[in-house]
Amino acid sequence: AQTVTQSQPEMSVQEAETVTLSCTYDTSENNYYLFWYKQPPSRQMILVIRQEAYKQQNATENRFSVNFQKAAKSFSLKISDSQLGDTAMYFCAFILSAGPKNNAGNMLTFGGGTRLMVKP
Amino acid sequence: DSGVTQTPKHLITATGQRVTLRCSPRSGDLSVYWYQQSLDQGLQFLIQYYNGEERAKGNILERFSAQQFPDLHSELNLSSLELGDSALYFCASSVDGTPRDEQFFGPGTRLTVL
Repeated sequence: AQTVTQSQPEMSVQEAETVTLSCTYDTSENNYYLFWYKQPPSRQMILVIRQEAYKQQNATENRFSVNFQKAAKSFSLKISDSQLGDTAMYFCAFILSAGPKNNAGNMLTFGGGTRLMVKP
Repeated sequence: DSGVTQTPKHLITATGQRVTLRCSPRSGDLSVYWYQQSLDQGLQFLIQYYNGEERAKGNILERFSAQQFPDLHSELNLSSLELGDSALYFCASSVDGTPRDEQFFGPGTRLTVL
């Protein structure tokens, strides 16, 4: 079974500063996808960024970037120029890239989340 | 707005009761997923349907069941409710239900069991 661990339950950062959220995962498989989801106080789950394990290049989406270390099974999220609207719970998630009829491959496994507070 | 709708937004009921949560996927999406978010268990995958058929099953209790109808909307039925079933239940949808496919989440249904 796959597991995802987020070791930082809570973090805070000053507006305009940079913050990095940590995530580690455990799997014996080689092909998978990793995600960061944001859950603001509205409770809506919003996809922030996605990384395909077979790609060595780290994904970037505007102010959000990841540091994907496959050998270390680490997938951290860096938020640059933090904004008040970034205040939210952030969840790291994992899914196997098995075929469409593989039961285990269609399950998103989430970490416990990191609560990020951006301070003015 | 993800395009996924869930009703009701809030539901308060008593132990032992049965409730039905409804989800309408984004237009064009064939696959629906259900997740449970609770303080104890975090975010957990429950079940996935694709074009009316069950495709994947996670930590779904036997007291819970789901189905996807021909018009692609889905319902999650929770019976013999217990206090521990209080949680936020999310529905998500994706185009073809494969792992590479982005899942779009609905706003959730908050269930409170008293």
